[in-house]
Amino acid sequence: AQSVAQPEDQVNVAEGNPLTVKCTYSVSGNPYLFWYVQYPNRGLQFLLKYITGDNLVKGSYGFEAEFNKSQTSFHLKKPSALVSDSALYFCAVRGLGNNDMRFGAGTRLTVKP
Amino acid sequence: GAGVSQTPSNKVTEKGKYVELRCDPISGHTALYWYRQSLGQGPEFLIYFQGTGAADDSGLPNDRFFAVRPEGSVSTLKIQRTERGDSAVYLCASSQTGVDGYTFGSGTRLTVV
Repeated sequence: AQSVAQPEDQVNVAEGNPLTVKCTYSVSGNPYLFWYVQYPNRGLQFLLKYITGDNLVKGSYGFEAEFNKSQTSFHLKKPSALVSDSALYFCAVRGLGNNDMRFGAGTRLTVKP
Repeated sequence: GAGVSQTPSNKVTEKGKYVELRCDPISGHTALYWYRQSLGQGPEFLIYFQGTGAADDSGLPNDRFFAVRPEGSVSTLKIQRTERGDSAVYLCASSQTGVDGYTFGSGTRLTVV
């Protein structure tokens, strides 16, 4: 069965600095990988996905993620953080042919002015 | 509609009672998913519908939980004999194809007292 690990419960960065939120995965076969963001009292919002092709995926709000097959990682990145990026971020994985998308426990990102 | 709609947004019920949670997906989305999110955790897969049929219900925790989607659009998650451990946010999501990112609703916060 597929699984996701987000090793950091909390990430703190200063506004304007680059940010990275880490994610590693385990799945049989090729993975479908996703990042979602959750703001307080709001539903999960889709940020970006990797299905196939270029390892660097660009998504909403200036976020990007790099798929690394050898390290089984899919870290979320942004070159310059904004205070408004502060939220809960979830990495998720599905295996080919699986309907069960597994989410990580989430990482709380805090961007300080 | 423009997004995934879930009603009610909040539900408080007494232990042992029956509850129904409703999800209205994006028009035209054939895939519909139910997840449960407990405090401090990532969403946990419950059930997946493709059209009217439950394609995968392996995430339902026990036979007190049941979901239907009789006309391939609106879905209802039904919980019998509720227990305090059922308290969580129940999230619904829909997608057009299996590899799309899901669009989530804002969730129903269920509290069993």
